Amino acid sequence: GAVVSQHPSWVICKSGTSVKIECRSLDFQATTMFWYRQFPKQSLMLMATSNEGSKATYEQGVEKDKFLINHASLTLSTLTVTSAHPEDSSFYICSASPARFGHGGTQYFGPGTRLLVL
Amino acid sequence: GESVGLHLPTLSVQEGDNSIINCAYSNSASDYFIWYKQESGKGPQFIIDIRSNMDKRQGQRVTVLLNKTVKHLSLQIAATQPGDSAVYFCAETFTGGGNKLTFGTGTQLKVEL
Repeated sequence: GAVVSQHPSWVICKSGTSVKIECRSLDFQATTMFWYRQFPKQSLMLMATSNEGSKATYEQGVEKDKFLINHASLTLSTLTVTSAHPEDSSFYICSASPARFGHGGTQYFGPGTRLLVL
Repeated sequence: GESVGLHLPTLSVQEGDNSIINCAYSNSASDYFIWYKQESGKGPQFIIDIRSNMDKRQGQRVTVLLNKTVKHLSLQIAATQPGDSAVYFCAETFTGGGNKLTFGTGTQLKVEL
């Protein structure tokens, strides 16, 4: 149980284009999903918290107009990198917390999406 | 700001030996801790968790120890196997923190045959 998927697993795009990444909780409902960014050999950096039915909460220094987040249902959140540039190239990972009581802060992670902007 | 850090960036162990990965945290309000395993090119995988009302919790081949006095967390892996080779992260959060996790810097575990 507690499986989270991401699509696509990798994407290459030209500078200036937008890229959408999907995050789905497959066997549980998640009122909260999180988006992280990870550079090689570094830890995960939280970008934003995605709340179902409401606006996402962004971490300090993360441009909300650059990284658009939509959490339209209890099983789906999307991250759109708008007008991508080479410096946006990274490994993007989502996670989801089960909505049911008892799981506390446990987050289950997706497999990640590797973005390369040329 | 508050942070969670690890003492050892790389740990090499022989196959069959026990591994101990350490983590220091600084937020005294943290009351829930999780260990994740991340293999190359993949997302973090939940290993084991522990709440602050406990000081030890065991899983299959893994044990997490929590010392709140010195704000220290450790992950013990028994009979380490080649498949255990990965980066291990500790993460912490606190009640009222919106389930947001703060991750440590990570430890690369290398299992030598």
